Amino acid sequence: DAGVIQSPRHEVTEMGQEVTLRCKPISGHDYLFWYRQTMMRGLELLIYFNNNVPIDDSGMPEDRFSAKMPNASFSTLKIQPSEPRDSAVYFCASRTGLNTEAFFGQGTRLTVV
Amino acid sequence: GNSVTQMEGPVTLSEEAFLTINCTYTATGYPSLFWYVQYPGEGLQLLLKATKADDKGSNKGFEATYRKETTSFHLEKGSVQVSDSAVYFCALIDQGAQKLVFGQGTRLTINP
Repeated sequence: DAGVIQSPRHEVTEMGQEVTLRCKPISGHDYLFWYRQTMMRGLELLIYFNNNVPIDDSGMPEDRFSAKMPNASFSTLKIQPSEPRDSAVYFCASRTGLNTEAFFGQGTRLTVV
Repeated sequence: GNSVTQMEGPVTLSEEAFLTINCTYTATGYPSLFWYVQYPGEGLQLLLKATKADDKGSNKGFEATYRKETTSFHLEKGSVQVSDSAVYFCALIDQGAQKLVFGQGTRLTINP
């Protein structure tokens, strides 16, 4: 398996634009997580899904952020409109089974100017 | 709620020095415990794990023992290398929600 695949790896956009980040989890994994990493706040859990259903979105910072998982092999994280403070590295991770580790993608580095 | 606390960083050592990065946790029950490593520009990778009390996880010369009595999972390595320079995260799995709870990370720099 190729692991968790995220795209794009880098994104530079202007303030106010819509940004969509994409994730393909490992085949057969039933949990999917979206994290944000910044120097100031470290690693933050934004939202996670189980069997394509959002379970906890309490980490989503504002209504500008939304996430979907239309099927078991694809998820998106959308920011609309984007702001400079959204600049961060966004990670997707997936896992399966009870009490097991998660596997991370390479991340998307987002810069909003 | 569940939480993980790591020692403050950054940590700077010379090559071949002994490494300890402290990690303590607060959790209900007996969660599985993990150490992840993040090299520059990359995602987090699982370094080692332990699933029950007194288990020792090990990988690439790193070790950590699940200590229930002290609720700790300290990371150790006997002789570090420059290539070990990275950020290290301690984590546990919330057994109810089945989500990983991470510590704040410890940046390690090894000088030749």
